[in-house]
Amino acid sequence: DQQVKQNSPSLSVQEGRISILNCDYTNSMFDYFLWYKKYPAEGPTFLISISSIKDKNEDGRFTVFLNKSAKHLSLHIVPSQPGDSAVYFCAASEGNSGAGSYQLTFGKGTKLSVIP
Amino acid sequence: DAMVIQNPRYQVTQFGKPVTLSCSQTLNHNVMYWYQQKSSQAPKLLFHYYDKDFNNEADTPDNFQSRRPNTSFCFLDIRSPGLGDAAMYLCATSRGLKRAFFGQGTRLTVV
Repeated sequence: DQQVKQNSPSLSVQEGRISILNCDYTNSMFDYFLWYKKYPAEGPTFLISISSIKDKNEDGRFTVFLNKSAKHLSLHIVPSQPGDSAVYFCAASEGNSGAGSYQLTFGKGTKLSVIP
Repeated sequence: DAMVIQNPRYQVTQFGKPVTLSCSQTLNHNVMYWYQQKSSQAPKLLFHYYDKDFNNEADTPDNFQSRRPNTSFCFLDIRSPGLGDAAMYLCATSRGLKRAFFGQGTRLTVV
């Protein structure tokens, strides 16, 4: 039973347009959300994160929106560039778990293709 | 400058032959994680070390073990690899910042 769901396995966007990647979660204890980007044959690299006390976080071309009531977050990339083509993973954590560390629960990823 | 280094990048092992994957870090992070990612699946946490404390996920098979001899190194031991254990194995580190840094992964093939 997946607690973090990325329902779109793939997305194609024209260069210069907006890319919107979506993520839904079911665990109401999640309080921190991250997006990772992964190129083939490489490990995931951190892109942007958001705490549950916020509803928006922006970093350059990347913006993450969080709708807690809907248990939904989205990553917006604008303008999209061919170098953005990668698999994007949504991840969530219960920040103050008893173990004192921050295990991440990942979605299955969305493969973004930005077409020149 | 790689901060989380996994060796080897590609590992081929025989069915049932023990194999060890290694991970080292230069970040001095106190938490180290091992994730397993199968094709088109989400990375799945196997276990993690918080300092020297080992935390096993409930559904991690007994076939998988881990060692952390010091802060910098962590090993994943697969005692008797089966065909179903073929996957990408990802090591990650963090220091309570909720942001994990990942290595490049080791692609394990079982023949």
